[in-house]
Amino acid sequence: GENVEQHPSTLSVQEGDSAVIKCTYSDSASNYFPWYKQELGKRPQLIIDIRSNVGEKKDQRIAVTLNKTAKHFSLHITETQPEDSAVYFCAATLGTLGRLYFGRGTQLTVWP
Amino acid sequence: DSGVTQTPKHLITATGQRVTLRCSPRSGDLSVYWYQQSLDQGLQFLIQYYNGEERAKGNILERFSAQQFPDLHSELNLSSLELGDSALYFCASSVDLDGRRTDTQYFGPGTRLTVL
Repeated sequence: GENVEQHPSTLSVQEGDSAVIKCTYSDSASNYFPWYKQELGKRPQLIIDIRSNVGEKKDQRIAVTLNKTAKHFSLHITETQPEDSAVYFCAATLGTLGRLYFGRGTQLTVWP
Repeated sequence: DSGVTQTPKHLITATGQRVTLRCSPRSGDLSVYWYQQSLDQGLQFLIQYYNGEERAKGNILERFSAQQFPDLHSELNLSSLELGDSALYFCASSVDLDGRRTDTQYFGPGTRLTVL
């Protein structure tokens, strides 16, 4: 099956700085890559996603890039704010089954 | 609010017991997925149902079972509970439209299970 690795496991940045979280996947058949934000004790919330036919997608301060050749994708958050503090999970889906393979998460802390 | 509902929110029980977690998908969604999240762990896929049929199986223990009913709600049954089963259990839903699958999964608020 698919294997998704995520780095770093923790990330601390100053308010206003940028944050980058990177994920790699193993199966070249994976074709959908969502990112979820999870606050403590809450549900994972989809913040952005990208499909394999697109190299980059942006939504306000959040962007995701995908390199299919290298099999990695990254989340970029610019102008970070304290409310961006949370655990971020990357994921990938394989083929048509739809199940998500998650990375182990990145605890992002934004200091005011 | 994702539109996915789960009950109960919290469940405290003893080892050896059996519990049932319930999930109602977003209106019109045909697929339901169950995930387990243990303390300091990521999200582990358990099982997927699509329109009443089992679609995919992940790291689900034999003590666990699930089903999806004609009204599309789903139940996850956990039996012979052990301390290690304490976790957050999430369900998510997505929809397949006439063979064109939409990948986006929306998560419910979760059920926190504590086994004492």
